[in-house]
Amino acid sequence: RKEVEQDPGPFNVPEGATVAFNCTYSNSASQSFFWYRQDCRKEPKLLMSVYSSGNEDGRFTAQLNRASQYISLLIRDSKLSDSATYLCVVITPYASYGKLTFGQGTILTVHP
Amino acid sequence: DTAVSQTPKYLVTQMGNDKSIKCEQNLGHDTMYWYKQDSKKFLKIMFSYNNKELIINETVPNRFSPKSPDKAHLNLHINSLELGDSAVYFCASSQGLAGPPYEQYFGPGTRLTVT
Repeated sequence: RKEVEQDPGPFNVPEGATVAFNCTYSNSASQSFFWYRQDCRKEPKLLMSVYSSGNEDGRFTAQLNRASQYISLLIRDSKLSDSATYLCVVITPYASYGKLTFGQGTILTVHP
Repeated sequence: DTAVSQTPKYLVTQMGNDKSIKCEQNLGHDTMYWYKQDSKKFLKIMFSYNNKELIINETVPNRFSPKSPDKAHLNLHINSLELGDSAVYFCASSQGLAGPPYEQYFGPGTRLTVT
């Protein structure tokens, strides 16, 4: 089983739609979780952290389910500019450090 | 001001050659990384340095040798390049690895093509 797994998509949705992505992780000791966004031929950039109680940033909502070992990202009222690849990142303990593992990314295309 | 910079942006070379990619960050971060993103867009960590000390060395061939002359720089040297080395290589930095914040700041990437 992969350490971090995402549905690669692609997800094709119309503007204004609500879309959700899930990401599962295998290590129950994982301690921190993030969503990154990567535009075509660009570097990944942090979209938002994922907190235990769930958190929202404008149209974006992130949730964590430790029991089932997954995180989710919900995008409401999709915009054309939301088209990108969304990467989930999981931090697991590694010696006295944290090790980051990226999922393979979920491609989102928002069309008019 | 560019936070994490990499040179070169594009690199086209022949099999068997040796090449280097340079990375610099001006964020004052302690930790720097090299990632490889292959044609399937999977982003995989290769190395992580904390204050010039190698922390993480994933199963990367010995042909890849990172060097950190100071904590603001992390270079990647690749010997005897192979076709399978063709990928985008990203450098990144973060404030630390021992605790949050873990946010990674990525460079623009170096697109390596081996012919």
